[in-house]
Amino acid sequence: KQEVTQIPAALSVPEGENLVLNCSFTDSAIYNLQWFRQDPGKGLTSLLLIQSSQREQTSGRLNASLDKSSGRSTLYIAASQPGDSATYLCAVRQETSGSRLTFGEGTQLTVNP
Amino acid sequence: EPEVTQTPSHQVTQMGQEVILRCVPISNHLYFYWYRQILGQKVEFLVSFYNNEISEKSEIFDDQFSVERPDGSNFTLKIRSTKLEDSAMYFCASQRLAGVSSQYFGPGTRLTVL
Repeated sequence: KQEVTQIPAALSVPEGENLVLNCSFTDSAIYNLQWFRQDPGKGLTSLLLIQSSQREQTSGRLNASLDKSSGRSTLYIAASQPGDSATYLCAVRQETSGSRLTFGEGTQLTVNP
Repeated sequence: EPEVTQTPSHQVTQMGQEVILRCVPISNHLYFYWYRQILGQKVEFLVSFYNNEISEKSEIFDDQFSVERPDGSNFTLKIRSTKLEDSAMYFCASQRLAGVSSQYFGPGTRLTVL
């Protein structure tokens, strides 16, 4: 059974700092991996989708990498801003279990002005 | 930009009552999902729906749950006889093409069972 883990559980940084959020998964037979942002009491906003054949994806100040064989992904946020404060979730889709996503527990990020 | 919408935003019900949670997926999407998140826990998959039938369901999705796409726009989740442990945030998601496109989530319905 796939298990997705995110480290750290919480992170507090000063504004302007570059930071890395980590996601690991136990079963490397994934189809793709998706990063989301969740604001308190709100829904999930899709940030980046990486297919298993890709190494990285970029969107603005966000860069996600994927090392499928080692079961790891990172989300790099450049020049962090207070508006980046949220919980960041990673989720994987398996090769063989349909389209369901299996989520990690998230990293709660606080960017201090 | 198109969005997934959900109603109501918050539903309070008594244990044993039936509830229907409603979702309007993005219009050109073909795959539809329900997930839930119990407070303080991970987001969990419930069910996926394609071509007017369930394509996959989790062990959580027992006989108390059902889904329906009654018309070309709405996608509903029904819980027949709610239990206290059904209290959670329920998210609807839609996807254009399975696997190669992102799943887009709605804002959620917070269900409170008393």
